[in-house]
Amino acid sequence: RKEVEQDPGPFNVPEGATVAFNCTYSNSASQSFFWYRQDCRKEPKLLMSVYSSGNEDGRFTAQLNRASQYISLLIRDSKLSDSATYLCVVNFVRNYGQNFVFGPGTRLSVLP
Amino acid sequence: NAGVTQTPKFQVLKTGQSMTLQCAQDMNHEYMSWYRQDPGMGLRLIHYSVGAGITDQGEVPNGYNVSRSTTEDFPLRLLSAAPSQTSVYFCASSYRGYSSYEQYFGPGTRLTVT
Repeated sequence: RKEVEQDPGPFNVPEGATVAFNCTYSNSASQSFFWYRQDCRKEPKLLMSVYSSGNEDGRFTAQLNRASQYISLLIRDSKLSDSATYLCVVNFVRNYGQNFVFGPGTRLSVLP
Repeated sequence: NAGVTQTPKFQVLKTGQSMTLQCAQDMNHEYMSWYRQDPGMGLRLIHYSVGAGITDQGEVPNGYNVSRSTTEDFPLRLLSAAPSQTSVYFCASSYRGYSSYEQYFGPGTRLTVT
């Protein structure tokens, strides 16, 4: 089983739609969680960290369920500019220092 | 700040050739890492470093060497290129020891091995 798994996608949605991405992780010792965004042929960039109580940043809402080892990202009122691949990232201590494990990503296309 | 820089942006190698991918950051980050990204696989950690003089292997280290003589630089060396090393390589940096800090990525190096 992969350490971090995501919805395979792609998701094709019209502008204004609400879309949700799911992510599961296998290591119960995981300590911190993130969603990154990656545009085509570009580097990943942090979209938001995911906190235990859930957190919101504008149109984006992230949720964490440690018991189920599950993370989600909700995008409301989708814009064309939201088209990208969304990477679920989990961090835990393996040897020493940080170790980030990336999911394979879910591609989103927002259509006019 | 330039952030994380990588050179070259593109490279074509023949099987068996060696080369070094350069990575530098000007944010005084102690933690640096190298990833490769292949279609459908996500980013996979090759090697990482928690400070100058300290490196360790990640998930897919075979065929690659790293060194960290300064805080700023973290080069990745391909010893004898193979077609399986055709990939996009990203260097990243972050603060050390704080798991909630984000990683900053360089623009990537697109490597093709023929």
